[in-house]
Amino acid sequence: YVLTQPPSVSVAPGQTANISCGGDNIGRKSVHWNQQKPGQAPVLVVYNDRDRPSGIPERFSGSNSGNTATLTISRVEAGDEAAYYCQVWESTSDHLWVFGGGTKLTVL
Amino acid sequence: QVQLVQSGAEVKKPGASVKVSCKASGYTFIDYYIHWVRQAPGQGLEWMGCMKPKSGGTKNAQNFQGRVTMTGDTSISTVYMEMSSLRSDDTAVYFCARSVGYGQAFDYWGQGTLVIVSS
Repeated sequence: YVLTQPPSVSVAPGQTANISCGGDNIGRKSVHWNQQKPGQAPVLVVYNDRDRPSGIPERFSGSNSGNTATLTISRVEAGDEAAYYCQVWESTSDHLWVFGGGTKLTVL
Repeated sequence: QVQLVQSGAEVKKPGASVKVSCKASGYTFIDYYIHWVRQAPGQGLEWMGCMKPKSGGTKNAQNFQGRVTMTGDTSISTVYMEMSSLRSDDTAVYFCARSVGYGQAFDYWGQGTLVIVSS
């Protein structure tokens, strides 16, 4: 199972960033999003398509339908600059985890 | 607070083995799965496998079957990942992460362990 993300997304501070994650019928799976800043471990920012862990700002939201899941970051801040990885559990074949290739968000 | 603390960086020669530890604290160790994920320099995340500390059961991704062994010691809340027959392309940062269920999100991650394979 393959997850496809754009390599990079750029947005000005205060604007909205949309990061896509494409996969065959991904809308039927639960998608999780991880944020990774340089030299740091990933941090879960959205799970089960649209839920936020405790401590994650409401500016982070998610959606998932059809063949595309989307992470939306509203009112982007400089501190949001990071790589973002989508993740799903492939439960229909070999029961394994798959990550997208990652999207580097640049805040202009 | 929940913490996953990993062992320090390693430098190994091709063909050798490496064993990385992941010590958990701040939660009931046996109630969560521990996963291993690696990241080659400048690359993305790759899931390697996971362990259920309660039963000792493990599952490896196909790319790592036969070369990666995961074990645990519940008395010290620690999981180990051992990789054998190391190659230069195994040079990467190795992360552990936990999930409450096998198919659930990874809600906490270790800080990562750099493994360098070089002659």
